[in-house]
Amino acid sequence: NAGVTQTPKFQVLKTGQSMTLQCAQDMNHNSMYWYRQDPGMGLRLIYYSASEGTTDKGEVPNGYNVSRLNKREFSLRLESAAPSQTSVYFCASSEFGPQETQYFGPGTRLLVL
Amino acid sequence: RKEVEQDPGPFNVPEGATVAFNCTYSNSASQSFFWYRQDCRKEPKLLMSVYSSGNEDGRFTAQLNRASQYISLLIRDSKLSDSATYLCVVNGRGGSNYKLTFGKGTLLTVNP
Repeated sequence: NAGVTQTPKFQVLKTGQSMTLQCAQDMNHNSMYWYRQDPGMGLRLIYYSASEGTTDKGEVPNGYNVSRLNKREFSLRLESAAPSQTSVYFCASSEFGPQETQYFGPGTRLLVL
Repeated sequence: RKEVEQDPGPFNVPEGATVAFNCTYSNSASQSFFWYRQDCRKEPKLLMSVYSSGNEDGRFTAQLNRASQYISLLIRDSKLSDSATYLCVVNGRGGSNYKLTFGKGTLLTVNP
C-alpha cells in the first residue's frame, strides 16, 4: 500500500516548456487535489476533483490544467511554464471530501528558469 | 482578518516543555478544522482534527472556540521528535467545502 505517489520528484524546466506532473493513489479515494507550496505563502489549492469524472478550479488555477484519468490518477499539466510556477507541488487524496483526512504525496520540486 | 492566521513563531523550547499554538480564521461558516504536521522537506500529515468539544490525543490537545473563531493546539512534555512545522487548516472559503485554507505554519524546534 503505497498511499499517494507522485512523479517526478524533481524537475527543471525552461520558460515556455510544458510538462505533466503525475499523481496516483491506491486507497480507493474519491477526491483528489493539487496544491502548490511557496515560502511564506502556505499551501494553496490549484485544482481538485471531487470524484472521478469531475474537476474544479481552486484558488490559483491560472497556467494549469488537470485530468482525472480514472479513480486512481490525477495529473497536473503546465502548458507553458513560467518562473512564477517554481514551487513544490503536492497531490493529495481523501475518501469523500476535505472534511476528512487528506493524504499527501511526497511532492514534486519544480524549478522554472 | 486574514483567512487563516497562525502565530508567526518560530518556537524554540526545551524537551519536556509545554507549548501552545494559536490560530484564528475569518470565515464564520467554516465547518472543519485540522492541525497538520509537516517535517522539513516532507509532505503534510494529519496530526488531529479539531472538534467543537475539544479533543485530546496523548500529549496533544486541540480546542475550538467558534464564537472567537479561534483554534489552539497544546503539546505537553515536548519530545525532540515534535520538531516540525504545524499547519492550521480550515475548510470552506466562499461556501465551498472543497477549498481548504492552510495557515502559513508555525515552526517548532524542541532542543535537548
